[in-house]
Amino acid sequence: GESVGLHLPTLSVQEGDNSIINCAYSNSASDYFIWYKQESGKGPQFIIDIRSNMDKRQGQRVTVLLNKTVKHLSLQIAATQPGDSAVYFCAGTYLSGGYNKLIFGAGTRLAVHP
Amino acid sequence: SQTIHQWPATLVQPVGSPLSLECTVEGTSNPNLYWYRQAAGRGLQLLFYSVGIGQISSEVPQNLSASRPQDRQFILSSKKLLLSDSGFYLCAWSVQGGDTQYFGPGTRLTVL
Repeated sequence: GESVGLHLPTLSVQEGDNSIINCAYSNSASDYFIWYKQESGKGPQFIIDIRSNMDKRQGQRVTVLLNKTVKHLSLQIAATQPGDSAVYFCAGTYLSGGYNKLIFGAGTRLAVHP
Repeated sequence: SQTIHQWPATLVQPVGSPLSLECTVEGTSNPNLYWYRQAAGRGLQLLFYSVGIGQISSEVPQNLSASRPQDRQFILSSKKLLLSDSGFYLCAWSVQGGDTQYFGPGTRLTVL
């Protein structure tokens, strides 16, 4: 079946360092990907997205890279701050029942240490 | 701007009791609506989605059901809860034809 997975369940970084969270997907037909941030006890918050016709997109302190050849995307967070501590999910589209839906990875927990 | 609400925020229910969780969206019309469940430490599992009033599609067979009585209202129900129904329930919306989904604050359900 379809799957979107993450390489590491947890990532620990020092405050001020750059963070890289990786994600692999299996459906070569996926044409849209999203990164979400979920803080404890809250709903996922949209961070950044990317279409398959792009290989890089930048936001404020975040960059998403997409490598369609190896079906891999990553989220880079520059100058990581304590407020970045959360679980990060990648999600990709898949076609089902005539509609595009999202399939989510299991998540990576980012822990930022002072 | 658009906002999405869910209630209650937390709920503790005995096994075999009924369930009704509500989700409402403001600031948009004719949205796609979604119900997800998130088990502890896991990703999100799509339960139901709706593209319009009265139109519900189920992704996973279970003892839950969903209804959309109004354009911006989405309800998740059960007649008899099971222990395995415990989890974090999330409602999300997207524009018609859009892929980006925006999530509500969630409801933490504990079935004892």
